[in-house]
Amino acid sequence: SQELEQSPQSLIVQEGKNLTINCTSSKTLYGLYWYKQKYGEGLIFLMMLQKGGEEKSHEKITAKLDEKKQQSSLHITASQPSHAGIYLCGADDTDKLIFGTGTRLQVFP
Amino acid sequence: DTGVSQDPRHKITKRGQNVTFRCDPISEHNRLYWYRQTLGQGPEFLTYFQNEAQLEKSRLLSDRFSAERPKGSFSTLEIQRTEQGDSAMYLCASSAGQLGEQYFGPGTRLTVT
Repeated sequence: SQELEQSPQSLIVQEGKNLTINCTSSKTLYGLYWYKQKYGEGLIFLMMLQKGGEEKSHEKITAKLDEKKQQSSLHITASQPSHAGIYLCGADDTDKLIFGTGTRLQVFP
Repeated sequence: DTGVSQDPRHKITKRGQNVTFRCDPISEHNRLYWYRQTLGQGPEFLTYFQNEAQLEKSRLLSDRFSAERPKGSFSTLEIQRTEQGDSAMYLCASSAGQLGEQYFGPGTRLTVT
């Protein structure tokens, strides 16, 4: 079965700093999704990537899917306290999503 | 439409009791998913419906768990004879068909004492 590994597991950055979160799959990715979760709440959809080499941006968040479609990265530029939360990558697995374990991001002033 | 809603938000129950959770998806969405999330982990798939048909169930879904989606609208997830290991956040999501863009509800946090 497909597994997703995220790194780092936890990240603490100072406001204004850039950061990157990685998601590596044990199999080829046919659809990779990034979600954000505030503690104790539901998930908020951020972006979806499907093609090798694809890159998408929304405000200060950029996500990329590598050419081999086995790894994705999420980059946040000039982090703000509002970026704090848990970032989860998810992958298509025959009519359902499987998720990584998440990366907990804390941003301090 | 205000998005996916779940009720209750929190449930504390004693071991052995039955509990039922409700999910109301976004009205035009034909797919509805249930996930379970424990602390420090990503959500794990439990089951999903397309309209009223339950199309897949995870092996995580023991015979104590049952889900329904009558008339293809809201869904219920029932856990019978709860165990402490059932303590988790139960998340519901809906989509209009394209797999990845699932819209999640706020979840129901279950604590079994």
